[in-house]
Amino acid sequence: AQRVTQPEKLLSVFKGAPVELKCNYSYSGSPELFWYVQYSRQRLQLLLRHISRESIKGFTADLNKGETSFHLKKPFAQEEDSAMYYCALGGGGFGNEKLTFGTGTRLTIIP
Amino acid sequence: SQTIHQWPATLVQPVGSPLSLECTVEGTSNPNLYWYRQAAGRGLQLLFYSVGIGQISSEVPQNLSASRPQDRQFILSSKKLLLSDSGFYLCAWTRQGFLSTEAFFGQGTRLTVV
Repeated sequence: AQRVTQPEKLLSVFKGAPVELKCNYSYSGSPELFWYVQYSRQRLQLLLRHISRESIKGFTADLNKGETSFHLKKPFAQEEDSAMYYCALGGGGFGNEKLTFGTGTRLTIIP
Repeated sequence: SQTIHQWPATLVQPVGSPLSLECTVEGTSNPNLYWYRQAAGRGLQLLFYSVGIGQISSEVPQNLSASRPQDRQFILSSKKLLLSDSGFYLCAWTRQGFLSTEAFFGQGTRLTVV
């Protein structure tokens, strides 16, 4: 089964404090992990993908296959980070095109 | 450039009436297509996905069905709506056969069944 778990539905963090949004997955094959973000009144959009190992808007995420986790982190929260964040799991294409999302975490940055 | 169109943006339908939501993609060929329902506390629930014309994978047995009559057209349907079908429906597409491919989402349809 292909499953994504985001244990926190709501997360409030003070501006300037570190942020960590948790994501755990279940998948028997080689996973492709993503973080998507939805800002107020905007479309859901890609934030980052594990294979790129990049930092976007100060956010990073490391795939830990041993713990089956892909937590999203940012050292210093900014007010514009307030949004809905979804962790997503893909099967990597080539016969497994299923793309599964978690339940999402609403992040609120307190000024 | 590629674009995805989804309509209508909002819809109010009575219980027992039929439903047809349409999604089209422009600027690409042979995309993977997806229908999701977004609900508070339940996140993005995958309903159907399709890797080609006439090929539909159903993830959640329910009162809905999907069809892909053309390469870049994906339709979500119901013969008789239930109150529980109310929600926000999102269409998305990805490129086929690529690792770590990005999903592009439509603007969504807010369906209210009354």
